[in-house]
Amino acid sequence: GQNIDQPTEMTATEGAIVQINCTYQTSGFNGLFWYQQHAGEAPTFLSYNVLDGLEEKGRFSSFLSRSKGYSYLLLKELQMKDSASYLCAVKDSNYQLIWGAGTKLIIKP
Amino acid sequence: IAGITQAPTSQILAAGRRMTLRCTQDMRHNAMYWYRQDLGLGLRLIHYSNTAGTTGKGEVPDGYSVSRANTDDFPLTLASAVPSQTSVYFCASSDSGESYGYTFGSGTRLTVV
Repeated sequence: GQNIDQPTEMTATEGAIVQINCTYQTSGFNGLFWYQQHAGEAPTFLSYNVLDGLEEKGRFSSFLSRSKGYSYLLLKELQMKDSASYLCAVKDSNYQLIWGAGTKLIIKP
Repeated sequence: IAGITQAPTSQILAAGRRMTLRCTQDMRHNAMYWYRQDLGLGLRLIHYSNTAGTTGKGEVPDGYSVSRANTDDFPLTLASAVPSQTSVYFCASSDSGESYGYTFGSGTRLTVV
């Protein structure tokens, strides 16, 4: 079956750095996405990786290793507004998105 | 403002009743999706449509039906609601292209009692 694993919850301090990991086992791979979802709101697109390596976008970076079935989202200079759930999703061989359950990130002052 | 509009925002529905959740996009995206999101389970695909006139079943299609008469609209119907269909429902759309993420509507919170 297809499976995406990410930690249920993480806590970090304002101004610090946090890394959210995602491992996947899917039938085929056509890209990995990270989304941010604030409580009670819709998910919003953060990043996309299809080749191995690091993609940087401001305070957020996303890394992919296809051989290891592994990705991480790195958030730097954490702000209180970064408190949200972070969803990892993989596009499989049918080009359908398979979603992880999400990681709830709690930022403390 | 370009995006996806879902209606209603929330609804309390008696079990056994029929209900249609509406979804309209103005971005001319080809593909549209309906997801339900339950605590601890993440987003699960109910039905999808790759282009107007076609639909397909997702991971959890039972008890739901969809239609795609045109590019903009993708309604989701619960023929006879049951309490297990209590959830938050999100409609999403995407354009062709590998790197294009999905755009989501603001969601419908449905409670079946």
